[in-house]
Amino acid sequence: EAGVAQSPRYKIIEKRQSVAFWCNPISGHATLYWYQQILGQGPKLLIQFQNNGVVDDSQLPKDRFSAERLKGVDSTLKIQPAKLEDSAVYLCASSLVMGDGYEQYFGPGTRLTVT
Amino acid sequence: QKEVEQDPGPLSVPEGAIVSLNCTYSNSAFQYFMWYRQYSRKGPELLMYTYSSGNKEDGRFTAQVDKSSKYISLFIRDSQPSDSATYLCAGTKTSYDKVIFGPGTSLSVIP
Repeated sequence: EAGVAQSPRYKIIEKRQSVAFWCNPISGHATLYWYQQILGQGPKLLIQFQNNGVVDDSQLPKDRFSAERLKGVDSTLKIQPAKLEDSAVYLCASSLVMGDGYEQYFGPGTRLTVT
Repeated sequence: QKEVEQDPGPLSVPEGAIVSLNCTYSNSAFQYFMWYRQYSRKGPELLMYTYSSGNKEDGRFTAQVDKSSKYISLFIRDSQPSDSATYLCAGTKTSYDKVIFGPGTSLSVIP
């Protein structure tokens, strides 16, 4: 079974530029999560999708971050404009159904450096 | 106070040792508890989850939850160099709620 795929793996941008990350969850997984992991910290949930609907985006900085999951499969997370404090690893995870929140499968992450 | 706390380490042990990793949480509503392993430059990988208090064993790994003291432990028997990683504990109120992660403990198993 293929795991969660993410791209790109690394990205370096200057502040005020925009960037987008892509995620393809495990086939058949209805729930998709985007996390931000700052160095030395645990992952923090940014947004959770159930199919193509948003379940929780309470910690998403909506003035600069946006995410979508068209057709309930792939998802993109965008930052526009980026700030220095956005430097982090952005992790995508998926679970079979929303009620399996304790069993999430993570992708390798995208390491973002904002200079 | 952060909802889930861990000693960041690093913890260094010799190969074959029994490792004890600990975690405390503040939210008494947490019912599910998870341990994830994260290798350098990789995403977290679920090791095991437990529901409510008690023990759960999976091979060399044992997870223990004491809800009365809000204390979570992970024991690794016969530790191997391949166990060298950061271990994240996490909790959530229900299987539908947001998962809260601790900052992780870095473990090195020396051959």
